[in-house]
Amino acid sequence: AQSVAQPEDQVNVAEGNPLTVKCTYSVSGNPYLFWYVQYPNRGLQFLLKYITGDNLVKGSYGFEAEFNKSQTSFHLKKPSALVSDSALYFCAVRGPDNYGQNFVFGPGTRLSVLP
Amino acid sequence: GAVVSQHPSWVICKSGTSVKIECRSLDFQATTMFWYRQFPKQSLMLMATSNEGSKATYEQGVEKDKFLINHASLTLSTLTVTSAHPEDSSFYICSANDGHYGYTFGSGTRLTVV
Repeated sequence: AQSVAQPEDQVNVAEGNPLTVKCTYSVSGNPYLFWYVQYPNRGLQFLLKYITGDNLVKGSYGFEAEFNKSQTSFHLKKPSALVSDSALYFCAVRGPDNYGQNFVFGPGTRLSVLP
Repeated sequence: GAVVSQHPSWVICKSGTSVKIECRSLDFQATTMFWYRQFPKQSLMLMATSNEGSKATYEQGVEKDKFLINHASLTLSTLTVTSAHPEDSSFYICSANDGHYGYTFGSGTRLTVV
């Protein structure tokens, strides 16, 4: 069975500092990994995904994530945080790209960027 | 990119009434759509997979008679919460695969049952 863990409920970082939001996963076979961001009372916005290829994936709004197969991790990073990055972040995993496959989401990490 | 429109964005209803939530793929066809439920400060939980022209597939523990799903066309899936109760109050989100950009999520519907 697929599962996703986000070990931190809350991450606080000062504006301008680098940020990391952690994610580890468990899936049989090659994983498809995703990061989404959610603002209050809004749907999910896609940030980035890893399917294959380069382990460092660059996404929207300056975010990037590094796929580490040996550690089964897919941590989200940004070199310099903005106050507007404050939101709820979800890591998700899917099996091989099949039209009917659904996501398994992590519990979410709330990021607060302090001015 | 692909757009999924969800309507209404919020709704308040009385206990015992039914509420319909629409999920539309605006610029692509989706034979499969997914319905998620999100409780406050919690993650998204898949409720059901909506299949165009056939019955929906419900996750374990989700009452299919309470959460009616209809996927009558390639661009529209509806979720009807029947005989709503306060414990049904939640944030409901749909998603669809456009076959190119991947999975796109709707903006969500905040349901409050009073």
